[in-house]
Order: sequence, then structure tokens, then C-alpha cells
Amino acid sequence: NAGVTQTPKFQVLKTGQSMTLQCAQDMNHNSMYWYRQDPGMGLRLIYYSASEGTTDKGEVPNGYNVSRLNKREFSLRLESAAPSQTSVYFCASSPMYSNQPQHFGDGTRLSIL
Amino acid sequence: GEDVEQSLFLSVREGDSSVINCTYTDSSSTYLYWYKQEPGAGLQLLTYIFSNMDMKQDQRLTVLLNKKDKHLSLRIADTQTGDSAIYFCAEVRTDKLIFGTGTRLQVFP
Repeated sequence: NAGVTQTPKFQVLKTGQSMTLQCAQDMNHNSMYWYRQDPGMGLRLIYYSASEGTTDKGEVPNGYNVSRLNKREFSLRLESAAPSQTSVYFCASSPMYSNQPQHFGDGTRLSIL
Repeated sequence: GEDVEQSLFLSVREGDSSVINCTYTDSSSTYLYWYKQEPGAGLQLLTYIFSNMDMKQDQRLTVLLNKKDKHLSLRIADTQTGDSAIYFCAEVRTDKLIFGTGTRLQVFP
């Protein structure tokens, strides 16, 4: 009964390093999302994948890339990490895109020095 | 775009009712959601309300929707220490889920 699984849970990077955050869901959901959570700002959408084979930009896509590897997996990549990308990253999934409740993973806490 | 607004903090005594308020922006939102986030965890869907409803009750939770004022509230009856968390409201705007900044609920004995 895993739901949405994110790895790693914690990571510290140096400025300029690259990293991929992994996300997998076992609920056979079509849509997947990446958010970042910063203090006092709620959650902001980085990228989403409405269905397997498609990806689209959200509110704050700059500095990130994504890959929808298959129906289960949706990864987020930081090519050259910057201190402004220090945040908590959440992956979510929903049965379909639009008007569907989203189910969240437990997050990846990323610090960039 | 405009923000979904919530007050930042709410402190209540155990056993009292808690009311968390939210002002949203898109009058065409078909669903409005309440999520709960406990420390170190992701967001857990608590409840949601369809826009053609005024009220929805689910055990200790009551959601009230005032479409005219674009105001959403979550009432928690008989608040317990386990209810201490951050509560987010969210609206659907142009097919995307837009979250409020969250209200931190603290329950004291």
C-alpha cells in the first residue's frame, strides 16, 4: 500500500551539481506532478505530466527538467543546482488530469550550499 | 495570478472547535480541496467539496462554501492534539491545483 514513493528523502548538494529526484506511484494513475514547497508560499507546481508520454511546464519550471519514464515513474532533474532551489519537493499523482484529487509522496528535502 | 489566501496560524484548546478559513479566486472552480500536512510528511487529502454544494460533513469535519464571497471554511469539531498540522485549501484554476499558503493549527491541552 505504498501510494507515491519519493527518493531520496534528504539530499545536500553543492552549487552547480546535478541531481535527479525519483518518484513512483503504484495506483495506476495517469497524471503526475512535481511541486516545491517554500516557507510561507504554499506549494508551487514545477512540471506535470497529464498522461504517459506528455510533460508540461507549471508555474516555476526554470532550472528543472522532467522525464515521464513510464506510467509509474516521473523524475525531476536539476542540471546545475542553485541555492534558490533549496526547498522541499513533492511528487503527486491523480487518476486523470483536472478536477481530480491528488495523492502526495512524503517529499524530498533538498539543501543546496 | 491572484493568491489563495489563508491565515497563517490558529491556536485552539483541546476539545474546542477549530475553524480554518480560505478565500479563493476562481469562481469557476468546480472542486475545492482541504489537505492536511503533518510534520515531515506529504499532503494528505482530508476532504473536498463540489462547487454546487454549500456544505459537506464528514465525521468531525464540516466544509462550508460561500460561492458569492469565494469563501471556504473547514470546521474541526472536538479538536484533538493529533489534529495539530498545517492545513491547505486548494482550488482548481485552469485545470491546475492552486494551493493556499497553509494555516498552522496548534492544539494545546
